[in-house]
Amino acid sequence: AQSVTQLDSHVSVSEGTPVLLRCNYSSSYSPSLFWYVQHPNKGLQLLLKYTSAATLVKGINGFEAEFKKSETSFHLTKPSAHMSDAAEYFCVVSDFEGGSQGNLIFGKGTKLSVKP
Amino acid sequence: KAGVTQTPRYLIKTRGQQVTLSCSPISGHRSVSWYQQTPGQGLQFLFEYFSETQRNKGNFPGRFSGRQFSNSRSEMNVSTLELGDSALYLCASALAGPYEQYFGPGTRLTVT
Repeated sequence: AQSVTQLDSHVSVSEGTPVLLRCNYSSSYSPSLFWYVQHPNKGLQLLLKYTSAATLVKGINGFEAEFKKSETSFHLTKPSAHMSDAAEYFCVVSDFEGGSQGNLIFGKGTKLSVKP
Repeated sequence: KAGVTQTPRYLIKTRGQQVTLSCSPISGHRSVSWYQQTPGQGLQFLFEYFSETQRNKGNFPGRFSGRQFSNSRSEMNVSTLELGDSALYLCASALAGPYEQYFGPGTRLTVT
């Protein structure tokens, strides 16, 4: 069964410094992986997705993630944090088993704080 | 193009009551999924509908049910509400692979 582990529940960085949010996954198949962001009292917004094309995936707002099969990781990075990046980030794996589009498995989330 | 809309945005119900939540997907999207988000359990998949058929179901009791209409709009029903059903219920729609879902703002349900 597919699963995803976000290694940090809370990450705090200073504005202008790099961001690293860590995610490991477990999948029996070639997975589709996603990062979503949730700002307070808002729904989830797709940041980026990996679907077996390029292993380095670029997303919105300067975020990118690298798929590393040997390490079963899909860490999210950004070179320089902005105050508006403060939010909760979810690493997600898609469960192909049912042949459906609907079964997303979410990590527990990492809350990113950005200090001025 | 309008995003995913959910109504109502906030609900307060009493234990034992039932509730119906509504979701209108992005125009042209035929897949609608529902998720429950709580501080303790995080985001959990409830079920997914595609062309009016339930394709997948998460690990929730039968009190949670849903349906999808011919225009792809979906409703979720929870019967015999319990305090633990208090949560943010999120709806997401998708056009087709590769599994890219777009989320609505959610319905905040409080059970007292």
